[in-house]
Amino acid sequence: QLQLQESGPGLVKPSETLSLTCTVSGGSLSSYYWGWIRQPPGKGLEWIGSIFYSGSTYYNPSLKSRVTISLDASKNQFSLKLSSLTAADTAVYYCARHPSANYYVSDYWGQGTLVTVSS
Amino acid sequence: EIVMTQSPATLSVSPGERATLSCRASQSISSTLAWYQQKPGQAPRLLIYGTSTRATGIPARFSGSGSGTDFTLTISSLQSEDFAVYYCQQYNNWPPITFGGGTKVEIK
Repeated sequence: QLQLQESGPGLVKPSETLSLTCTVSGGSLSSYYWGWIRQPPGKGLEWIGSIFYSGSTYYNPSLKSRVTISLDASKNQFSLKLSSLTAADTAVYYCARHPSANYYVSDYWGQGTLVTVSS
Repeated sequence: EIVMTQSPATLSVSPGERATLSCRASQSISSTLAWYQQKPGQAPRLLIYGTSTRATGIPARFSGSGSGTDFTLTISSLQSEDFAVYYCQQYNNWPPITFGGGTKVEIK
């Protein structure tokens, strides 16, 4: 059974850079897209971006200037960096798998990790 | 960017009754629509993709329909475990993929 697990700090200061990692177990990164989605407390879902196993990246235009997603196949992990944080970036961050470009849905999710931006 | 609008924001339904949730896209997305269920404290779960195809393990009481800009998720007979928030998502024209604001299905 495929499992995804996010890891990273729960509290980050304004203006700093958030770094999160998603570890995939029970399967490999090959042939899929891997992405990040966030949800501010009490609000809806926002797609941040994704990476194909080959290394191609796709970002939400609204966040593109601040986001970097990378992948380490040897560790079966992919990562998110989000810079210049403000309180508006406080959210639960989920990692997810997307089966293909034509079926760009999220069929496996991590449990999510709450990131609070505060001094 | 394609904007997804869900209605109603909250739907009050009695157990055993039918629930009908709506999702509208700001432009045609063909049949590239998915539905998710989210319970408190949990990650969303994929229910339906391609407008009407149920994901693995999803009960037959969940069904999806529509095309173009107007879509519907129907829960034929609500069970206690179905009370949750439901989101639609388009993947016709990405990036970005976009989600609706959600419909909360609550017990009447």
